[in-house]
Amino acid sequence: GIQVEQSPPDLILQEGANSTLRCNFSDSVNNLQWFHQNPWGQLINLFYIPSGTKQNGRLSATTVATERYSLLYISSSQTTDSGVYFCAVRTSGSRLTFGEGTQLTVNP
Amino acid sequence: GAVVSQHPSWVICKSGTSVKIECRSLDFQATTMFWYRQFPKQSLMLMATSNEGSKATYEQGVEKDKFLINHASLTLSTLTVTSAHPEDSSFYICSVDTTGEYEQYFGPGTRLTVT
Repeated sequence: GIQVEQSPPDLILQEGANSTLRCNFSDSVNNLQWFHQNPWGQLINLFYIPSGTKQNGRLSATTVATERYSLLYISSSQTTDSGVYFCAVRTSGSRLTFGEGTQLTVNP
Repeated sequence: GAVVSQHPSWVICKSGTSVKIECRSLDFQATTMFWYRQFPKQSLMLMATSNEGSKATYEQGVEKDKFLINHASLTLSTLTVTSAHPEDSSFYICSVDTTGEYEQYFGPGTRLTVT
């Protein structure tokens, strides 16, 4: 099956800093999603982005499908951004496969 | 996007008993729902795909007689953990597949502790 690798596994920032999270995948995909899992366990949809670039407030994401990677940018980080960020992908007819996640801690 | 609820949010049960977890799609008729399990500090692992009106499809290594899934309507899927044991303690999350190839939306999860 498809492999999904996220980096870095852990990231500690001071409030106000910017960061970039990376997701590499091993095959062509027709679905790529970024999620934020908050401390209570809820998965929040951030982006559906199988290709191209999208922005939503302080967050933006870019997927380069031909090179099989996606990037999530967080600008001016806040303590509420803390949690685990997951990338998940799906090839045609298959199930959604999650990466191992990036644990983000934003300190005040 | 779809709004998904789960009940209960958390449950504690004794070893050997059964526990039922409900997953409801509140604003979308879902022919397909998914059940995931997540252990602490780990990623989500798909357990089974729940199809309305038919038998669930289980992932390799998941005991279908232990984790009973019923998807009797387009808005409700249930997961019953039968004869629960402490190793079944985990965070169980369901999701709704909106259009087959596009976004999935997840419920808030159910934390199961078996004592």
